[in-house]
Amino acid sequence: KAGVTQTPRYLIKTRGQQVTLSCSPISGHRSVSWYQQTPGQGLQFLFEYFSETQRNKGNFPGRFSGRQFSNSRSEMNVSTLELGDSALYLCASSLVSGSRDEQFFGPGTRLTVL
Amino acid sequence: AQSVTQLGSHVSVSEGALVLLRCNYSSSVPPYLFWYVQYPNQGLQLLLKYTSAATLVKGINGFEAEFKKSETSFHLTKPSAHMSDAAEYFCAVSDRGSSYKLIFGSGTRLLVRP
Repeated sequence: KAGVTQTPRYLIKTRGQQVTLSCSPISGHRSVSWYQQTPGQGLQFLFEYFSETQRNKGNFPGRFSGRQFSNSRSEMNVSTLELGDSALYLCASSLVSGSRDEQFFGPGTRLTVL
Repeated sequence: AQSVTQLGSHVSVSEGALVLLRCNYSSSVPPYLFWYVQYPNQGLQLLLKYTSAATLVKGINGFEAEFKKSETSFHLTKPSAHMSDAAEYFCAVSDRGSSYKLIFGSGTRLLVRP
């Protein structure tokens, strides 16, 4: 069974640009969550989608947005990029949306903002 | 708000020695608790989780953790360290509920000396 895939794996952008990251969950998984990992702030929850609906959102500005498609694939978008948005963005999927369920993480997309 | 404290950003042990990574959570209601491991340039892999069954939880790769409500702790142990255990370890909590939102500790980097 294929794991969670994230594309692209590496991305370089400049300040002010926008970026879209993609996540394909494990087949059959309906919940997708996104996390940002930085050396300074560690791992922080961005948002979670289940059946195309955002169920939970972290404490990030509105420049960070996401969506989920009917096939459970998810995208996150960051507009007006800032230097501080440089991070590893991790996507995780789970079979159902429940806080006790295991989340399976992808390898991440490393975003560098210049 | 939930928080997780991992004592020691770096822990160094000799191969074959006991591994002990500390995690304390702040919650009046026992949450769900998780330990994840991250190898370089990879996503997170679940080692084990506590969801209110047995307080001693056994995970993969010989790791286990004990939930102690009185101490609000969920320390990770392994009797004998292997070189392959060198990685970063994250403790995480989630509130009981229908939505997924993991709150991570700051991580502990485990170094294994030959």
